[in-house]
Amino acid sequence: QSALSQPPSASGTPGQRVTISCSGSGPNIGTNTVNWYQQLPGTAPKLLMYRNDQRTSGVPDRFSGSKSGTSASLAISGLQSEDEAIYYCAPWDDSLNGLVFGGGTKLTVL
Amino acid sequence: QVQLQEWGPRLVRPSETLSLTCSVSGVAISSGGHHWSWIRQHPGKGPEWLGYIYDNGSAFYRPSLKSRITMSVDTSKNQFSLRLSSVIAADTAVYFCARGRGTVVDSWGQGTLVTVSS
Repeated sequence: QSALSQPPSASGTPGQRVTISCSGSGPNIGTNTVNWYQQLPGTAPKLLMYRNDQRTSGVPDRFSGSKSGTSASLAISGLQSEDEAIYYCAPWDDSLNGLVFGGGTKLTVL
Repeated sequence: QVQLQEWGPRLVRPSETLSLTCSVSGVAISSGGHHWSWIRQHPGKGPEWLGYIYDNGSAFYRPSLKSRITMSVDTSKNQFSLRLSSVIAADTAVYFCARGRGTVVDSWGQGTLVTVSS
């Protein structure tokens, strides 16, 4: 069982805005910044956002991240079919001295 | 641009040792400033960080695996390695090597499926 809690699924229609939440605790989100990864089927996770709200090079500004207390969220506006993927939040965890991953949220574009 | 590629046996027998190596290209491990990680992912689950190592050989392991895991680095070959001993079926997973800096892991290999079975 992951130390982080994400909804297992989310969905939206093209053009809509979707938000994915990630709930953690003191040693992880409460203390460190949050990274978000996007994973397409059969591929490695790809870094999407880092340090809560910084987009990796090439990621469109439709993607945004935020953090408050021990929770974080990833928002995707202007939803597109290519956004269909599994999204993982992943902050550093001081008790683990390593990266901890959420269980993932599977985003479906209807 | 950094590229990472995992290689090693895809099938390991129970109680034996899983060994994987990650070849790094595009950046020298010896240039410093980064840590080099192993991460695994069981089917249908989120990734699980196993540990990381620096170019000087300092390594940090997931506490629950500490008794079974060893990482090493060979800067002359620009490679780093993972050994996981006494494997069981639950160690069957896709294993990824990755590069990080501070609290951000930014580049991953494509991953390799390792199956533990007799």
